[in-house]
Amino acid sequence: AQRVTQPEKLLSVFKGAPVELKCNYSYSGSPELFWYVQYSRQRLQLLLRHISRESIKGFTADLNKGETSFHLKKPFAQEEDSAMYYCALTFGTDKLIFGTGTRLQVFP
Amino acid sequence: DTEVTQTPKHLVMGMTNKKSLKCEQHMGHRAMYWYKQKAKKPPELMFVYSYEKLSINESVPSRFSPECPNSSLLNLHLHALQPEDSALYLCASSQDNRAGTDTQYFGPGTRLTVL
Repeated sequence: AQRVTQPEKLLSVFKGAPVELKCNYSYSGSPELFWYVQYSRQRLQLLLRHISRESIKGFTADLNKGETSFHLKKPFAQEEDSAMYYCALTFGTDKLIFGTGTRLQVFP
Repeated sequence: DTEVTQTPKHLVMGMTNKKSLKCEQHMGHRAMYWYKQKAKKPPELMFVYSYEKLSINESVPSRFSPECPNSSLLNLHLHALQPEDSALYLCASSQDNRAGTDTQYFGPGTRLTVL
C-alpha cells in the first residue's frame, strides 16, 4: 500500500541553522509529491510540490527515486518557519495521502 | 475569490442532533473533498466529489452524509454522531482531480465537538 513516512515528530533548531525535514514514501510507480505547511491558527496550505521545482520561502525539496525520499531543506531557518509540516503524495488518483507530520520549532 | 470558506467555525452538538457543515469555493474548481483531522494527526480523507459526483467514500460511517448541490458548494450532513467523531473537519478543492496531480486548497476547518 502507498505510504508516507516522516520519522521525526519534532525537530528543534536555532535561528540561522540548516533544516532538513525527512520524508520517505512507498510506492512503486511515479507519485506526485507535496509539502504542506500548517502555521499556528492558520489553514493547511501548499508549501511546494516536486513537479514545479520551485523554491518557496527558501525551502527546496528534491525527489530521490532511488531512495524514495522527498526531504525538505532550508539552509537558514527563521523563527517564522515554526509550524507543522506534512509530506503528502498522490499516485494518479484523487487521493492525497499525508505523512504523520513533523513539528518544526525554530528558537531565537 | 481565491479561498475555500467553511461554516460554521465551531459546532457543538449532542448525539441525537442533526447538523450540517458547509464549504464553498469560487475558484472554478471541479473537485471537492472532506477530510477529518484529529488533534496532532494528519488529515484523513473522507469523501471526494468530482464534477459534482461522489467519486470516493473512504468507508465513512453513514452518520456522515455528503452532498454537492453544485460545483461551488459542498455540504456534510451529520446525524447521530458519537463523541469520538469530535475533530476538525476540513474541506478542500482542486481544479480537476482526474490526473491526480492538482494542488488541493484547504479551508480553515470546522471544529466539531460531540457531547
